[in-house]
Amino acid sequence: AQSVTQPDIHITVSEGASLELRCNYSYGATPYLFWYVQSPGQGLQLLLKYFSGDTLVQGIKGFEAEFKRSQSSFNLRKPSVHWSDAAEYFCAAGGLAGNMLTFGGGTRLMVKP
Amino acid sequence: GAGVSQSPSNKVTEKGKDVELRCDPISGHTALYWYRQRLGQGLEFLIYFQGNSAPDKSGLPSDRFSAERTGESVSTLTIQRTQQEDSAVYLCASSQGQAKPLFSPHSAQYFGPGTRLLVL
Repeated sequence: AQSVTQPDIHITVSEGASLELRCNYSYGATPYLFWYVQSPGQGLQLLLKYFSGDTLVQGIKGFEAEFKRSQSSFNLRKPSVHWSDAAEYFCAAGGLAGNMLTFGGGTRLMVKP
Repeated sequence: GAGVSQSPSNKVTEKGKDVELRCDPISGHTALYWYRQRLGQGLEFLIYFQGNSAPDKSGLPSDRFSAERTGESVSTLTIQRTQQEDSAVYLCASSQGQAKPLFSPHSAQYFGPGTRLLVL
């Protein structure tokens, strides 16, 4: 079945440390890929998107993501995490099953001072 | 510019009552989506509107759920005879282009803040 998987439900990092959030998709072709962030009580904000071309995508707030076809992955990275980055992060894919986005289950990021 | 707006932001209702949730998409966005997010879970697709085409209702969980959209403007999601399992955040998104038949760079979806529904 077509799906998006975020293997880590919770991640805790220290402020200033680097961050990598994992995302894997399962599909017969390359979908369009997105990362969204959801702060407590807020809607989803688009961080970055990949459609084609350069496999390293830059987004807002200092985030980047790398598409690796061989691993069916689209991991989100940030070199130095800030306390304000604490939120829930969702990976999503489009084109997998019709019109909608298929979302992963989310990764909740906590940042230690 | 203004983003996607939703109202109400919170709704508490009694089991068996009907509720209406409203979404105002970004001006000029032709596509509109409804998703449901249960506590601690990811988003589930409910329904998609694209212009004057027939909506994609494939995600609606039961016939108690329905949605309408007039042209490329406001959409209303209606839940009839609410049940406790309907408690969730209902998120609306809009996008500039259509997702079908071919996803395009304009298809990135922009989300509203959601309506938090609690059914007692």
